[in-house]
Amino acid sequence: LAKTTQPISMDSYEGQEVNITCSHNNIATNDYITWYQQFPSQGPRFIIQGYKTKVTNEVASLFIPADRKSSTLSLPRVSLSDTAVYYCLVGGFYNQGGKLIFGQGTELSVKP
Amino acid sequence: GAVVSQHPSRVICKSGTSVKIECRSLDFQATTMFWYRQFPKQSLMLMATSNEGSKATYEQGVEKDKFLINHASLTLSTLTVTSAHPEDSSFYICSARGTSANTGELFFGEGSRLTVL
Repeated sequence: LAKTTQPISMDSYEGQEVNITCSHNNIATNDYITWYQQFPSQGPRFIIQGYKTKVTNEVASLFIPADRKSSTLSLPRVSLSDTAVYYCLVGGFYNQGGKLIFGQGTELSVKP
Repeated sequence: GAVVSQHPSRVICKSGTSVKIECRSLDFQATTMFWYRQFPKQSLMLMATSNEGSKATYEQGVEKDKFLINHASLTLSTLTVTSAHPEDSSFYICSARGTSANTGELFFGEGSRLTVL
């Protein structure tokens, strides 16, 4: 399974755009890139998923370059409630039955 | 999105007793479920993969006789921590993959906090 590397922590202020980049140099052809958000004492919550180029939904955008060796989660205009740990995972059904291995994640702290 | 529910959300038990945690997929059939554990300020660690109707596959270093997993139906997987000890105190999280989810998206439960006294 592809290993992921993210910054351990990031700080931001309310209203700013936050970009979290994840490296996954060994991503396989069938792997998808998925980002999850986790609050303390809760299970991870799906944010966004993509395979290539750009994906956007109501909460975030995901940018994936052509070589797919990295990806960037973009959170527009963050608020205090976006303070959480963000995990980047790569994998898919065809790769070891779809199991996902979590890396260390990025602890985002949003300040007033 | 799909809903995965865990029960109980919190459990406190005495050392030496066994505790069962249930994981249910509420609105979809889950052929595969995954169990994770998470210690404070750490990431999730995959314990085992549970497939409906077959034996679970455990990750290296996870004792299968200690953490019994049963996936008897397409909507229910259980994790039993046998003869629990204080070092088993942790946050246990299950996740499920639907039958048509070939993109690898997993749906996670709310987690179960186990405290062993």
